[in-house]
Amino acid sequence: DAKTTQPPSMDCAEGRAANLPCNHSTISGNEYVYWYRQIHSQGPQYIIHGLKNNETNEMASLIITEDRKSSTLILPHATLRDTAVYYCIVRLSNTGFQKLVFGTGTRLLVSP
Amino acid sequence: DAGVTQSPTHLIKTRGQQVTLRCSPKSGHDTVSWYQQALGQGPQFIFQYYEEEERQRGNFPDRFSGHQFPNYSSELNVNALLLGDSALYLCASSLAGTVGDTQYFGPGTRLTVL
Repeated sequence: DAKTTQPPSMDCAEGRAANLPCNHSTISGNEYVYWYRQIHSQGPQYIIHGLKNNETNEMASLIITEDRKSSTLILPHATLRDTAVYYCIVRLSNTGFQKLVFGTGTRLLVSP
Repeated sequence: DAGVTQSPTHLIKTRGQQVTLRCSPKSGHDTVSWYQQALGQGPQFIFQYYEEEERQRGNFPDRFSGHQFPNYSSELNVNALLLGDSALYLCASSLAGTVGDTQYFGPGTRLTVL
Protein backbone atom coordinates (compact mmCIF):
# COMPACT_ATOMS: atom_id res chain seq x y z
CA ASP A 1 0.00 0.00 0.00
CA ALA A 2 2.87 2.36 -0.81
CA LYS A 3 1.59 5.75 -1.92
CA THR A 4 4.66 6.78 -3.90
CA THR A 5 6.09 6.03 -7.33
CA GLN A 6 9.82 6.08 -8.00
CA PRO A 7 11.95 5.04 -10.98
CA PRO A 8 13.53 1.64 -10.31
CA SER A 9 17.06 2.75 -11.06
CA MET A 10 19.20 5.78 -11.87
CA ASP A 11 22.84 6.41 -12.68
CA CYS A 12 24.98 9.37 -11.69
CA ALA A 13 28.59 10.34 -12.26
CA GLU A 14 30.70 10.96 -9.20
CA GLY A 15 30.83 14.65 -8.32
CA ARG A 16 27.65 15.49 -10.18
CA ALA A 17 24.29 16.22 -8.62
CA ALA A 18 21.92 13.29 -8.26
CA ASN A 19 18.25 14.24 -8.62
CA LEU A 20 15.89 11.51 -7.47
CA PRO A 21 12.20 12.05 -8.33
CA CYS A 22 9.15 10.80 -6.45
CA ASN A 23 5.49 11.03 -7.35
CA HIS A 24 2.92 11.13 -4.56
CA SER A 25 -0.19 12.37 -6.33
CA THR A 26 -2.59 11.22 -3.57
CA ILE A 27 -0.76 12.95 -0.74
CA SER A 28 -3.02 14.67 1.77
CA GLY A 29 -2.46 17.98 3.46
CA ASN A 30 -1.20 16.52 6.72
CA GLU A 31 1.27 14.02 5.24
CA TYR A 32 5.00 14.53 5.26
CA VAL A 33 7.40 13.34 2.56
CA TYR A 34 10.27 11.33 4.02
CA TRP A 35 13.42 10.06 2.34
CA TYR A 36 15.53 7.17 3.55
CA ARG A 37 18.34 5.30 1.89
CA GLN A 38 19.67 1.81 2.38
CA ILE A 39 23.18 0.81 1.55
CA HIS A 40 23.51 -2.89 0.81
CA SER A 41 22.44 -5.07 3.77
CA GLN A 42 22.48 -2.17 6.25
CA GLY A 43 19.56 -0.57 8.06
CA PRO A 44 17.78 2.30 6.31
CA GLN A 45 19.32 5.69 6.98
CA TYR A 46 17.11 8.74 7.49
CA ILE A 47 17.98 11.54 5.06
CA ILE A 48 15.42 14.32 5.22
CA HIS A 49 11.71 15.07 5.43
CA GLY A 50 9.39 17.95 4.61
CA LEU A 51 5.76 19.02 4.55
CA LYS A 52 5.42 21.78 1.97
CA ASN A 53 8.53 23.92 2.02
CA ASN A 54 11.87 22.99 0.53
CA GLU A 55 14.28 21.59 3.07
CA THR A 56 18.05 21.28 3.21
CA ASN A 57 20.40 19.58 5.61
CA GLU A 58 23.99 18.38 5.56
CA MET A 59 23.09 15.34 3.48
CA ALA A 60 20.65 16.55 0.86
CA SER A 61 17.98 18.97 -0.31
CA LEU A 62 14.30 18.19 -0.72
CA ILE A 63 12.28 20.09 -3.27
CA ILE A 64 8.49 19.68 -3.02
CA THR A 65 6.28 21.03 -5.82
CA GLU A 66 3.71 23.64 -4.95
CA ASP A 67 0.82 21.19 -5.41
CA ARG A 68 2.78 18.67 -3.30
CA LYS A 69 2.13 15.88 -5.78
CA SER A 70 5.80 15.24 -6.42
CA SER A 71 9.20 15.88 -4.92
CA THR A 72 12.88 15.60 -5.75
CA LEU A 73 15.72 14.58 -3.50
CA ILE A 74 18.97 16.25 -4.50
CA LEU A 75 22.41 14.99 -3.53
CA PRO A 76 24.49 17.99 -4.65
CA HIS A 77 27.84 16.24 -5.18
CA ALA A 78 27.33 12.50 -5.37
CA THR A 79 30.12 10.22 -4.18
CA LEU A 80 30.62 6.48 -4.60
CA ARG A 81 29.35 6.05 -1.02
CA ASP A 82 25.97 7.43 -2.09
CA THR A 83 25.31 4.25 -4.08
CA ALA A 84 22.20 2.85 -2.36
CA VAL A 85 18.47 2.25 -2.65
CA TYR A 86 16.56 5.46 -1.97
CA TYR A 87 13.04 5.27 -0.56
CA CYS A 88 10.46 8.05 -0.74
CA ILE A 89 7.69 7.63 1.84
CA VAL A 90 4.63 9.68 2.74
CA ARG A 91 3.21 9.49 6.22
CA LEU A 92 0.93 11.43 8.50
CA SER A 93 2.47 14.29 10.39
CA ASN A 94 0.63 13.75 13.64
CA THR A 95 2.30 12.05 16.52
CA GLY A 96 0.20 8.92 16.58
CA PHE A 97 2.51 5.97 16.02
CA GLN A 98 2.73 6.16 12.29
CA LYS A 99 4.37 3.21 10.54
CA LEU A 100 6.60 3.63 7.51
CA VAL A 101 5.32 2.02 4.31
CA PHE A 102 8.24 1.30 2.02
CA GLY A 103 7.89 0.82 -1.72
CA THR A 104 10.57 -0.62 -3.96
CA GLY A 105 12.65 2.57 -4.06
CA THR A 106 15.18 3.83 -6.59
CA ARG A 107 18.52 2.06 -6.89
CA LEU A 108 21.10 4.81 -7.43
CA LEU A 109 24.45 3.81 -8.87
CA VAL A 110 27.21 6.40 -8.63
CA SER A 111 30.08 5.68 -10.99
CA PRO A 112 33.60 7.13 -11.20
CA ASP B 1 24.91 9.79 21.28
CA ALA B 2 24.23 6.05 21.05
CA GLY B 3 22.28 5.01 17.99
CA VAL B 4 19.93 2.07 17.66
CA THR B 5 21.62 -1.22 18.40
CA GLN B 6 20.46 -4.74 17.58
CA SER B 7 21.64 -8.19 18.56
CA PRO B 8 22.65 -10.62 17.34
CA THR B 9 24.00 -9.53 13.96
CA HIS B 10 23.41 -12.88 12.33
CA LEU B 11 21.45 -15.94 13.36
CA ILE B 12 20.87 -19.37 11.85
CA LYS B 13 17.91 -21.47 12.96
CA THR B 14 16.07 -24.51 11.68
CA ARG B 15 12.41 -24.83 10.82
CA GLY B 16 10.12 -25.11 13.84
CA GLN B 17 12.52 -23.43 16.22
CA GLN B 18 11.91 -20.20 18.09
CA VAL B 19 14.05 -17.06 17.96
CA THR B 20 14.40 -13.86 20.00
CA LEU B 21 15.89 -10.70 18.57
CA ARG B 22 16.83 -7.69 20.66
CA CYS B 23 16.84 -3.94 20.13
CA SER B 24 18.05 -0.98 22.17
CA PRO B 25 16.60 2.35 21.01
CA LYS B 26 18.51 5.53 20.32
CA SER B 27 19.22 7.52 23.46
CA GLY B 28 16.16 9.56 24.43
CA HIS B 29 13.70 7.55 22.34
CA ASP B 30 10.73 5.71 23.82
CA THR B 31 9.05 3.99 20.86
CA VAL B 32 10.30 0.93 19.02
CA SER B 33 9.07 -0.40 15.68
CA TRP B 34 10.04 -3.68 14.04
CA TYR B 35 10.27 -4.36 10.31
CA GLN B 36 10.99 -7.44 8.23
CA GLN B 37 12.90 -7.12 4.97
CA ALA B 38 12.98 -10.07 2.62
CA LEU B 39 15.70 -10.22 0.01
CA GLY B 40 15.09 -7.69 -2.76
CA GLN B 41 12.08 -6.14 -1.04
CA GLY B 42 11.48 -3.00 0.98
CA PRO B 43 11.01 -3.32 4.74
CA GLN B 44 7.56 -4.42 5.90
CA PHE B 45 6.10 -3.16 9.19
CA ILE B 46 5.57 -5.84 11.85
CA PHE B 47 4.52 -3.90 14.97
CA GLN B 48 5.28 -0.94 17.18
CA TYR B 49 5.70 -0.67 20.96
CA TYR B 50 5.22 2.30 23.25
CA GLU B 51 4.85 2.32 27.02
CA GLU B 52 5.38 -1.45 27.00
CA GLU B 53 2.28 -2.02 24.88
CA GLU B 54 1.80 -2.97 21.25
CA ARG B 55 0.28 0.11 19.64
CA GLN B 56 0.01 -0.93 16.02
CA ARG B 57 0.48 -4.15 14.11
CA GLY B 58 1.08 -4.98 10.48
CA ASN B 59 -0.14 -8.02 8.58
CA PHE B 60 1.93 -10.64 10.37
CA PRO B 61 0.70 -13.85 12.06
CA ASP B 62 0.57 -14.37 15.81
CA ARG B 63 3.81 -16.33 15.58
CA PHE B 64 5.40 -12.89 15.69
CA SER B 65 5.24 -11.33 19.11
CA GLY B 66 7.12 -8.69 20.96
CA HIS B 67 7.84 -7.03 24.22
CA GLN B 68 9.06 -3.67 25.42
CA PHE B 69 10.87 -3.26 28.71
CA PRO B 70 10.77 -0.31 31.15
CA ASN B 71 14.12 0.92 29.77
CA TYR B 72 12.44 1.11 26.30
CA SER B 73 14.45 -1.76 24.83
CA SER B 74 12.48 -4.35 22.92
CA GLU B 75 12.45 -7.97 21.84
CA LEU B 76 10.94 -9.61 18.79
CA ASN B 77 10.00 -13.27 19.15
CA VAL B 78 9.17 -15.58 16.29
CA ASN B 79 7.79 -19.06 17.03
CA ALA B 80 7.57 -22.12 14.79
CA LEU B 81 10.01 -20.71 12.27
CA LEU B 82 9.31 -21.19 8.57
CA LEU B 83 11.76 -21.00 5.69
CA GLY B 84 9.94 -17.85 4.60
CA ASP B 85 10.90 -16.11 7.85
CA SER B 86 14.45 -15.79 6.55
CA ALA B 87 14.99 -12.04 6.29
CA LEU B 88 16.71 -8.99 7.68
CA TYR B 89 14.87 -7.86 10.80
CA LEU B 90 15.10 -4.15 11.46
CA CYS B 91 14.37 -2.20 14.59
CA ALA B 92 13.61 1.52 14.46
CA SER B 93 13.22 3.92 17.35
CA SER B 94 11.50 7.27 17.69
CA LEU B 95 10.28 9.72 20.29
CA ALA B 96 6.53 9.82 20.76
CA GLY B 97 4.89 13.20 20.97
CA THR B 98 7.17 14.88 18.46
CA VAL B 99 5.67 16.10 15.20
CA GLY B 100 6.82 13.81 12.42
CA ASP B 101 8.49 11.50 15.01
CA THR B 102 11.29 10.42 12.70
CA GLN B 103 12.24 6.77 12.98
CA TYR B 104 15.91 5.85 13.12
CA PHE B 105 16.95 2.33 12.18
CA GLY B 106 19.46 -0.08 13.61
CA PRO B 107 21.79 -2.23 11.51
CA GLY B 108 19.43 -5.20 11.56
CA THR B 109 19.62 -8.89 12.41
CA ARG B 110 20.02 -11.30 9.51
CA LEU B 111 17.96 -14.43 10.25
CA THR B 112 18.47 -17.54 8.16
CA VAL B 113 16.04 -20.45 8.59
CA LEU B 114 17.22 -23.80 7.25
